[in-house]
Amino acid sequence: SAVISQKPSRDICQRGTSLTIQCQVDSQVTMMFWYRQQPGQSLTLIATANQGSEATYESGFVIDKFPISRPNLTFSTLTVSNMSPEDSSIYLCSVGGTVGTEAFFGQGTRLTVV
Amino acid sequence: DAKTTQPNSMESNEEEPVHLPCNHSTISGTDYIHWYRQLPSQGPEYVIHGLTSNVNNRMASLAIAEDRKSSTLILHRATLRDAAVYYCILRDLGSGGSNYKLTFGKGTLLTVNP
Repeated sequence: SAVISQKPSRDICQRGTSLTIQCQVDSQVTMMFWYRQQPGQSLTLIATANQGSEATYESGFVIDKFPISRPNLTFSTLTVSNMSPEDSSIYLCSVGGTVGTEAFFGQGTRLTVV
Repeated sequence: DAKTTQPNSMESNEEEPVHLPCNHSTISGTDYIHWYRQLPSQGPEYVIHGLTSNVNNRMASLAIAEDRKSSTLILHRATLRDAAVYYCILRDLGSGGSNYKLTFGKGTLLTVNP
């Protein structure tokens, strides 16, 4: 199993500013994933963060808006840049098992942009 | 990943069994069937997964149709704590590095009445 800690748990930010979300895992993992959950919606994958290489972004998400760092095998950050109210969502970090095993999620960061 | 279809919502009474259906008529031979649930204000948590045979664990049972085009998550005795959104997700064994990713649909909102 894996225990994931996300910081901050919630924040209220001014539009035009940036917020960096931290994700710490209690074990070394190859891949870490960042998801967004807009109000009342399901989860959407933003990107896959690999240690030692650039993150891989899903369609509709770009590095300039959501830069990701992955300095080691237990830590990653997601930055939400130049925020607008449309960025108000829950952002979740996940580490995955392979297809035949389970994935683990952090508690999420609830972001409100005003 | 192949698509799944779930009812938007279901209701159950406490202490009664709950059968949550999932249709996946386009499932391929290498797709695993995963179930996750998301309790209010929390990240998703793993429930169960299977490939062809029925599966049981301490949380639930997974019944897979013989043709694998549908499956049912069974909670044997619902409690108030089981109120959550339940996601049925197919994960392709043959998708290489992307097999770690989870593609979430809208899920089923389960309400448990006391």
